[in-house]
Amino acid sequence: NAGVTQTPKFQVLKTGQSMTLQCAQDMNHNSMYWYRQDPGMGLRLIYYSASEGTTDKGEVPNGYNVSRLNKREFSLRLESAAPSQTSVYFCASLLLGEFRANVLTFGAGSRLTVL
Amino acid sequence: RKEVEQDPGPFNVPEGATVAFNCTYSNSASQSFFWYRQDCRKEPKLLMSVYSSGNEDGRFTAQLNRASQYISLLIRDSKLSDSATYLCVVRFTGNQFYFGTGTSLTVIP
Repeated sequence: NAGVTQTPKFQVLKTGQSMTLQCAQDMNHNSMYWYRQDPGMGLRLIYYSASEGTTDKGEVPNGYNVSRLNKREFSLRLESAAPSQTSVYFCASLLLGEFRANVLTFGAGSRLTVL
Repeated sequence: RKEVEQDPGPFNVPEGATVAFNCTYSNSASQSFFWYRQDCRKEPKLLMSVYSSGNEDGRFTAQLNRASQYISLLIRDSKLSDSATYLCVVRFTGNQFYFGTGTSLTVIP
């Protein structure tokens, strides 16, 4: 059971380049999330998808787009990367249900550097 | 203003000490509360959920005060392995989860 898998683990981009971060979960979870983590800022929600076919903005959506391809996969796209998007990106998933089931499971993270 | 506020620390405590972390949240409609642990350069992992009546898991005790919009985590008999960053997490309506900036703990031998 792999849980939440993110690719790539590391990426270096030049300003203006585009790229897509991939996330897949094999736990049959309903909701999926993208966060970024910067020093001193904690994790900030970029976008989330409550269920297949829906996506919503979080705290810091500017400069990003997302696609909930199917129940398993939720991708994050940077159309024109900027140095301010240098960060560690975490994908997470959530099984909706009773209170005790509402626990986020995270992937190992994707470290992105934009030069 | 951030939705969830934490004292970033760092907290440096000797082994065996008791340490407490605090967290406040801004949205009174918040639904669920959690403490996550994050080790250096790793993903966050659930430490414990926080229930309205307070709850304990071994050396860890979590408390919730809805009236004051305040959450706490108490660690007793600190171990070297407790060294990590502790993240306060609040779930809002629509299943949005917001994180505090984290509190850094180092347990010293």
